[in-house]
Amino acid sequence: AQSVTQLDSQVPVFEEAPVELRCNYSSSVSVYLFWYVQYPNQGLQLLLKYLSGSTLVKGINGFEAEFNKSQTSFHLRKPSVHISDTAEYFCAVQNNAGNMLTFGGGTRLMVKP
Amino acid sequence: NAGVMQNPRHLVRRRGQEARLRCSPMKGHSHVYWYRQLPEEGLKFMVYLQKENIIDESGMPKERFSAEFPKEGPSILRIQQVVRGDSAAYFCASTTGTRETQYFGPGTRLLVL
Repeated sequence: AQSVTQLDSQVPVFEEAPVELRCNYSSSVSVYLFWYVQYPNQGLQLLLKYLSGSTLVKGINGFEAEFNKSQTSFHLRKPSVHISDTAEYFCAVQNNAGNMLTFGGGTRLMVKP
Repeated sequence: NAGVMQNPRHLVRRRGQEARLRCSPMKGHSHVYWYRQLPEEGLKFMVYLQKENIIDESGMPKERFSAEFPKEGPSILRIQQVVRGDSAAYFCASTTGTRETQYFGPGTRLLVL
């Protein structure tokens, strides 16, 4: 069985400050890892994904994430946030069979002017 | 290139009525996944279908819920005799195959009065 833990339910940050959203997972097999963003009353948009290869993954909107196998983490970072980054962010793992995503509980990023 | 389409976007039902949610996958995608998002929670996997086949329904409630993906037309998630606890956002995602990136629709927000 897999699980995903997003340690922070809310992260308030000022505009232009750096941010890190934490994600830890547990799985007995190798997994694929994803970050999705959800704007209010909308669906999920893929930010980035880790499948294999380089552990530093770059995504859209200036976000990046680093896969750390020893710490079973996949934290999301952005060096300078904008007001428009205010949204809910979900970390997810895909199981070995590839037939489902397991999501964390989400982190609400609130960017203040 | 149209993305994943879901309709209706909002659905209001009274207790005991039926709800039908439709999902049209992206062009060229033949795999569909349904997820449910309860208020203030992450998404939970419900069912995975390919054309005319249910592959994995391990996340589906045992009663009142059913899903299909016919040879022609959209995938349908059907909830019979809805109860207030069914109020949630229901998202579908599609892929070209297993272990491929899932692309999400905008969701259907079901409200049961």
